[in-house]
Amino acid sequence: DQQVKQNSPSLSVQEGRISILNCDYTNSMFDYFLWYKKYPAEGPTFLISISSIKDKNEDGRFTVFLNKSAKHLSLHIVPSQPGDSAVYFCAASADRAAGNKLTFGGGTRVLVKP
Amino acid sequence: KAGVTQTPRYLIKTRGQQVTLSCSPISGHRSVSWYQQTPGQGLQFLFEYFSETQRNKGNFPGRFSGRQFSNSRSEMNVSTLELGDSALYLCASSQTGWGYNEQFFGPGTRLTVL
Repeated sequence: DQQVKQNSPSLSVQEGRISILNCDYTNSMFDYFLWYKKYPAEGPTFLISISSIKDKNEDGRFTVFLNKSAKHLSLHIVPSQPGDSAVYFCAASADRAAGNKLTFGGGTRVLVKP
Repeated sequence: KAGVTQTPRYLIKTRGQQVTLSCSPISGHRSVSWYQQTPGQGLQFLFEYFSETQRNKGNFPGRFSGRQFSNSRSEMNVSTLELGDSALYLCASSQTGWGYNEQFFGPGTRLTVL
């Protein structure tokens, strides 16, 4: 039972254009969402997060949008740069008192072409 | 500040053996979580330790166990290894064991079971 899904396994985008990564979840108890970026042979690196009380959070070139009614979130990267080529994971957390358990999506591989 | 370190980085074992992986969190971090990454199942939560106590556990068999020491360093053990245990094992640390803290991941230990 995949509670967090990233339906696009890969995405190719031209340098300078927008990258849009999508993530869907099924568990209504999730109330905190994160995006991580992963290069080969490295651990995931935190990018940006959003609480369920917000619908948008922005940090530099990265913006995350949350649509709670649709149980959908997206990550926008503008403008895309070659160094953004990596695998991106969406993750969700429920019940802050329960600690740091994260449920991850399957990842989207992004290739930014120069 | 030094990041999360994991040892060893690579490990080859045979079926039926047992293995112990080690994780040193970022100084001052008290929560350590473990994740398994496989091509088929993605990133899956194994367990989390905070102040030497297991706070959360994922859906893994009892062959997977862990512990945390008073200096917050953590070990995970897998007994009676199976071929399907071949994976990248990631450790993540965060400052506290509750709330929405950014988790910092180590580079992982690549375990191959032959």
